[in-house]
Amino acid sequence: DTEVTQTPKHLVMGMTNKKSLKCEQHMGHRAMYWYKQKAKKPPELMFVYSYEKLSINESVPSRFSPECPNSSLLNLHLHALQPEDSALYLCASSQGQGVRDEKLFFGSGTQLSVL
Amino acid sequence: GNSVTQMEGPVTLSEEAFLTINCTYTATGYPSLFWYVQYPGEGLQLLLKATKADDKGSNKGFEATYRKETTSFHLEKGSVQVSDSAVYFCALPIYNQGGKLIFGQGTELSVKP
Repeated sequence: DTEVTQTPKHLVMGMTNKKSLKCEQHMGHRAMYWYKQKAKKPPELMFVYSYEKLSINESVPSRFSPECPNSSLLNLHLHALQPEDSALYLCASSQGQGVRDEKLFFGSGTQLSVL
Repeated sequence: GNSVTQMEGPVTLSEEAFLTINCTYTATGYPSLFWYVQYPGEGLQLLLKATKADDKGSNKGFEATYRKETTSFHLEKGSVQVSDSAVYFCALPIYNQGGKLIFGQGTELSVKP
């Protein structure tokens, strides 16, 4: 199994809603990532979890709250989002060995629309 | 600092045409270099990589050679197919930052039959 599974595939939410994005992998990877991708732009790193601990937060607003309940799961909790937060949210995982050619495996993403 | 500059698209080619997508980088030390591909409606997939100078990465008919003297990692394919239509990203991993990648702007390729 070399898949990273993200749910839901599409999400529409209002600015006062609370929602969560979910990501799962069963490759035994110990590093997991959230990226944000606007249309026709490259992905931008948001968070990195290494061995279930948050290791990188790229100065993301607090309305995005990541959680790593165990080594296979990664959540992104959303609250009081703005329309400009509409984007494709990509989850990725890697072995987490810190080697220089570490390969990231990406999920298909959640397309989020904030109304 | 570290950066990646990539040829912007969109690029439109006929089937069986030759493809080159330029990528240059700025980095300290000797980083690995990657090309990722994003097919419509999907996440990114690693297409190929090179870990040191003069290495050639190859996969699915695509090739890229790590040129330290020109700090380049251009992507080439001799004969593109309609199924190669996608967005291609050159990427530079940041050593000791937990797998963080710096991506180029992406090049959208459209191959017509």
